[in-house]
Amino acid sequence: DAGVTQSPTHLIKTRGQQVTLRCSPKSGHDTVSWYQQALGQGPQFIFQYYEEEERQRGNFPDRFSGHQFPNYSSELNVNALLLGDSALYLCASSFRPSGTTDTQYFGPGTRLTVL
Amino acid sequence: GNSVTQMEGPVTLSEEAFLTINCTYTATGYPSLFWYVQYPGEGLQLLLKATKADDKGSNKGFEATYRKETTSFHLEKGSVQVSDSAVYFCALSEFSGGSNYKLTFGKGTLLTVNP
Repeated sequence: DAGVTQSPTHLIKTRGQQVTLRCSPKSGHDTVSWYQQALGQGPQFIFQYYEEEERQRGNFPDRFSGHQFPNYSSELNVNALLLGDSALYLCASSFRPSGTTDTQYFGPGTRLTVL
Repeated sequence: GNSVTQMEGPVTLSEEAFLTINCTYTATGYPSLFWYVQYPGEGLQLLLKATKADDKGSNKGFEATYRKETTSFHLEKGSVQVSDSAVYFCALSEFSGGSNYKLTFGKGTLLTVNP
């Protein structure tokens, strides 16, 4: 059973460029959340997708956008990259039965470096 | 809002020593609590969880008990090994309406175990 997968593993961009990161959830999971982890910090919640809609968003600007596809995979897009966007981007998947807590399982992350 | 405070690191121990990493939380409702571990260059792995007061989560010799009266979820292990060297994150997940959950993380505690 494949776990959460992310691509690419590493990415180097320059300021002002745009980037797309991809995530495939664990088999049987229908919800994808994205987190940003700056060096030496805990992950910060960006947004969560369920049924192809953004359901909840953290304190991130509109430059951060996403998408969920019918097969539950997801993309994170970041426009107009800033140096401060350099971080490890983590995708987490979960299954959303009503009324219970969903345990989130994380992928290995994409390391984004903005020069 | 929700927050998690965990013991500042780094923590350095000798093999077979006893480990405690303190974690306290602030939440408006009844969160679920988690410990995740991150090995160098990798994503986050779920270590253990507890979903209600007085629950004890355990895995691989690690334990943590959900203490509602002290809003704490301290991580313990009786005898650490070199392979336990990693960054440990305490996190909470709370229902925020419409079946939406997100994880709020502490800043992480770096554990180094020397032979």
